[in-house]
Amino acid sequence: NAGVTQTPKFRILKIGQSMTLQCTQDMNHNYMYWYRQDPGMGLKLIYYSVGAGITDKGEVPNGYNVSRSTTEDFPLRLELAAPSQTSVYFCASSSLSLADTQYFGPGTRLTVL
Amino acid sequence: AQTVTQSQPEMSVQEAETVTLSCTYDTSESDYYLFWYKQPPSRQMILVIRQEAYKQQNATENRFSVNFQKAAKSFSLKISDSQLGDAAMYFCAYRSVNNDMRFGAGTRLTVKP
Repeated sequence: NAGVTQTPKFRILKIGQSMTLQCTQDMNHNYMYWYRQDPGMGLKLIYYSVGAGITDKGEVPNGYNVSRSTTEDFPLRLELAAPSQTSVYFCASSSLSLADTQYFGPGTRLTVL
Repeated sequence: AQTVTQSQPEMSVQEAETVTLSCTYDTSESDYYLFWYKQPPSRQMILVIRQEAYKQQNATENRFSVNFQKAAKSFSLKISDSQLGDAAMYFCAYRSVNNDMRFGAGTRLTVKP
């Protein structure tokens, strides 16, 4: 199993550009999450999803959009990129058990100039 | 909103010695889940140990154990017989029953040979 995969690994955007970060999991997990990690900081939850067609805002959702049309995929859309969105983005998934760990992807390093 | 505080930005331990990392959290909920994650330089997030709030017994995983004090809202991680491979960033995380996740800012652990 590949687990959680994210593309791209690195990206540089200009201010005002848009892009989609892709996330796919092959563990048939219901829960999926998007986090951002700023330098020297912990992860902050952007959005999460409990299943196809259902998404919820996390701690820092402004400037982002998500959709969940399938169990496997959970793309994160950045509209009108700003320098404040420079960060490392992690996607994660987990089973229905809240006691279960989240499985994290390798991250996408995004720089907005 | 729930908050997670790690008051030690950096800690250092001699190889084979024991070190304790601190974590406190703020919540009004009675049921929740707590986790410690390790993040080595590869950026991969790895589960170290988990604790369910309704369980009074402290969780242990080989050399890793926790001291869970629910009334004090404290969740410290003890690493025994520290190894060079334990060097990493360690994050404390809180998961609510609504699946909202909050991470602390992290503690950088250095292991001296």
